[in-house]
Amino acid sequence: TQLLEQSPQFLSIQEGENLTVYCNSSSVFSSLQWYRQEPGEGPVLLVTVVTGGEVKKLKRLTFQFGDARKDSSLHITAAQPGDTGLYLCAAYSGTYKYIFGTGTRLKVLA
Amino acid sequence: KAGVTQTPRYLIKTRGQQVTLSCSPISGHRSVSWYQQTPGQGLQFLFEYFSETQRNKGNFPGRFSGRQFSNSRSEMNVSTLELGDSALYLCASSFFGSDGEQFFGPGTRLTVL
Repeated sequence: TQLLEQSPQFLSIQEGENLTVYCNSSSVFSSLQWYRQEPGEGPVLLVTVVTGGEVKKLKRLTFQFGDARKDSSLHITAAQPGDTGLYLCAAYSGTYKYIFGTGTRLKVLA
Repeated sequence: KAGVTQTPRYLIKTRGQQVTLSCSPISGHRSVSWYQQTPGQGLQFLFEYFSETQRNKGNFPGRFSGRQFSNSRSEMNVSTLELGDSALYLCASSFFGSDGEQFFGPGTRLTVL
């Protein structure tokens, strides 16, 4: 069974701090997506990483795909209250099905 | 380009009733997937449709069913509702449903009393 495990599960930090969220698996994926979800809303796609070792930046967010394409990380620099939400990683697991990570719930305090 | 739309946004039902949720994908997308999200289980895959055909189904009882129409719009139905069916039901669309990116709708919050 393919699984995506995220860590940490919960994170509460002060505005201006940096943080890193991890998404790990024992399986190899051809690509991996990161989403952010706010309460009562659907997940919003942030980025897709495709190449092993790839690094993508989205303003203060930096996404990295592991060299072996089994893991990924999301780093946020100088977190702001607007970054608060549930961060999910996801990957295509084959046979028209995507799997999602367990999620990291981030709260940034002003 | 309009995003994925889901109706209704909120629904309150009682045990034993049935419910139908609707999803309109992004124009041009032919794959629609449905997910159930609960605090305890996270996002769980229900089923995926492409060109009116169900191509995969998750581990849910037969009370959960779906269909897709020729215009790619999709509906899911839950019969004989149970308290445990209370959840956020999310629909996601993509071009082919095989790798690449999925785009989610806002979800339907179902509460079963």
